[in-house]
Amino acid sequence: KAGVTQTPRYLIKTRGQQVTLSCSPISGHRSVSWYQQTPGQGLQFLFEYFSETQRNKGNFPGRFSGRQFSNSRSEMNVSTLELGDSALYLCASSPGQGAHEQYFGPGTRLTVT
Amino acid sequence: GENVEQHPSTLSVQEGDSAVIKCTYSDSASNYFPWYKQELGKGPQLIIDIRSNVGEKKDQRIAVTLNKTAKHFSLHITETQPEDSAVYFCAASMGGAAGNKLTFGGGTRVLVKP
Repeated sequence: KAGVTQTPRYLIKTRGQQVTLSCSPISGHRSVSWYQQTPGQGLQFLFEYFSETQRNKGNFPGRFSGRQFSNSRSEMNVSTLELGDSALYLCASSPGQGAHEQYFGPGTRLTVT
Repeated sequence: GENVEQHPSTLSVQEGDSAVIKCTYSDSASNYFPWYKQELGKGPQLIIDIRSNVGEKKDQRIAVTLNKTAKHFSLHITETQPEDSAVYFCAASMGGAAGNKLTFGGGTRVLVKP
């Protein structure tokens, strides 16, 4: 089975712009979670989608949003980018709901200048 | 909310020695505890996990133990090899209404010296 894929792998944006990141989960997996990884804050949960519905959301401002499509692919969007949004954004795929193993993609490295 | 603490933050061992990383969690409702290995430029890789109804789990050179009473769990790597050098993260999840949300520890950078 192919693993979790994320596109693009690298992105450079300017403050104030918006960005959309994409994640394709492992075939058959219906849950997609997003995490932000920074040297200072570590790995932090952004949100989780299951069957096109947001199940849970972390402590991030409303500028961070996401969605999931009927084929389980997911996108996350960050509007009005700030310098502090520079991070590695990771997507994780899981077969189902509730304390199931999660498999991470390689991440998208976002740099905001 | 859940809080996970991980120690040590860095660990240097000689090839062939054992490495132990310890984590504590705050919420007794957590019931799933995975460990991830992250190499440079890659996403975290699930290496082993344990659920709250099990006290110990082993997979070749790696093992995880869980003490629910004390709310701590540990990763043990035996016969370390240079390819074990990476950053390791512990995590905790409650399931239920929290879904698959993982709360991560701060990470341990492991260096295996040949």
